[in-house]
Amino acid sequence: EAQLLESGGGLVQPGGSLRLSCAASGFTFSSYAMSWVRQAPGKGLQWVSLITGSGDTTYYADSVKGRFTISRDNSKNTLYLQMNSLRAEDTAVYYCAKHACSAYSCEYVTSWGQGTLVTVSS
Amino acid sequence: EIVLAQSPGTLSLSPGERATLSCRASQSVNSNYLAWYQQKPGQAPRLLIYGASSRATGIPDRFSGSGSGTDFSLTISRLEPEDFAVYYCQQYGSSLTFGGGTKVEIK
Repeated sequence: EAQLLESGGGLVQPGGSLRLSCAASGFTFSSYAMSWVRQAPGKGLQWVSLITGSGDTTYYADSVKGRFTISRDNSKNTLYLQMNSLRAEDTAVYYCAKHACSAYSCEYVTSWGQGTLVTVSS
Repeated sequence: EIVLAQSPGTLSLSPGERATLSCRASQSVNSNYLAWYQQKPGQAPRLLIYGASSRATGIPDRFSGSGSGTDFSLTISRLEPEDFAVYYCQQYGSSLTFGGGTKVEIK
């Protein structure tokens, strides 16, 4: 069974940076595309970014393009999200999400982490 | 970007009743690449349906998905107490987007 454990959330000032990590276990990490999905307090789900299983292709929501960078280390079974120039509207629980296959046409989420809270406030 | 509109925002029903949730896309969803998730308070979402109508592993058969093109629905044939939650649709035919959610609450 896939297990995903996020870490790295916390309180950061506007304009600051934070790096989230997601440790994966229970499956062949490099065989699956991964995403970050966020949920602002009391709001719905918002997809943030996706990386293919090999790590060679990445995609971003317009709201974070140019500020966030997704990456993965398949030797460490770990997914990352580098968040720069943070804004108040980035405040949310950030979920690590495993997709159904390594690349395309299967970007539904089969496993979710429990999430890590990022709060952007002065 | 494909925008997904879910309706109603809130559905008030009693256990044993049938629930029908709607998800309408702003443009046709490629190959019916549409999924449904259930989320309970304080928990991560859980996959229910993918490919518009395929049930995920371990999902009871009281959950069913249907639709194509721009109009999709999730039906819960007989609500169990554990089914009261928020439900989201998601399309993955062109980038990824989620609907705003439908809350199914106890009447």
